[in-house]
Amino acid sequence: KNEVEQSPQNLTAQEGEFITINCSYSVGISALHWLQQHPGGGIVSLFMLSSGKKKHGRLIATINIQEKHSSLHITASHPRDSAVYICAVLSYNTDKLIFGTGTRLQVFP
Amino acid sequence: KAGVTQTPRYLIKTRGQQVTLSCSPISGHRSVSWYQQTPGQGLQFLFEYFSETQRNKGNFPGRFSGRQFSNSRSEMNVSTLELGDSALYLCASRRSGGQIYNEQFFGPGTRLTVL
Repeated sequence: KNEVEQSPQNLTAQEGEFITINCSYSVGISALHWLQQHPGGGIVSLFMLSSGKKKHGRLIATINIQEKHSSLHITASHPRDSAVYICAVLSYNTDKLIFGTGTRLQVFP
Repeated sequence: KAGVTQTPRYLIKTRGQQVTLSCSPISGHRSVSWYQQTPGQGLQFLFEYFSETQRNKGNFPGRFSGRQFSNSRSEMNVSTLELGDSALYLCASRRSGGQIYNEQFFGPGTRLTVL
């Protein structure tokens, strides 16, 4: 079983829809990243969380440390949000980033 | 402020050759980490360098090595290339290593194809 699980693996949405991507992990963590990767390959860090909730524009990330679960929400989705979203946790024991397999999001106009 | 840069962006090599990839971190960042991304294994941590010392290492064979220079620029080397080494190699920099964890900023990656 992977230490970081994401769901769903693939997601399609119509423009304007509210989107939720989930991440569950089984290791103790110091921090959790939400990353965005476009087809060109480059990765952008959207959020780094260790507790609570963060908001940036239409993006909201939450984390529940007790339940070992994080969610990334996109409000009013837009075709430019189409990308792969990756959850990565910093293991408290090994100090290494462990990545989920990613969620491929396609938003259609 | 310039972002993380990686050179070259694309590389084609043949089995048995060796390759060196370069990463220049954001100015002021002293930690550089390297990652491999493949369709089968996803993103995996290779190693992290801080102040010219390897601080952490992933589960990769000794053919994968790296170093960091006094200006924080880092190189990674893969010797005796195998077909399975074909991947996108990403580096990321952050302000410091050690117990204080700062956010990582990723470069555009080097896409290596081994024929």
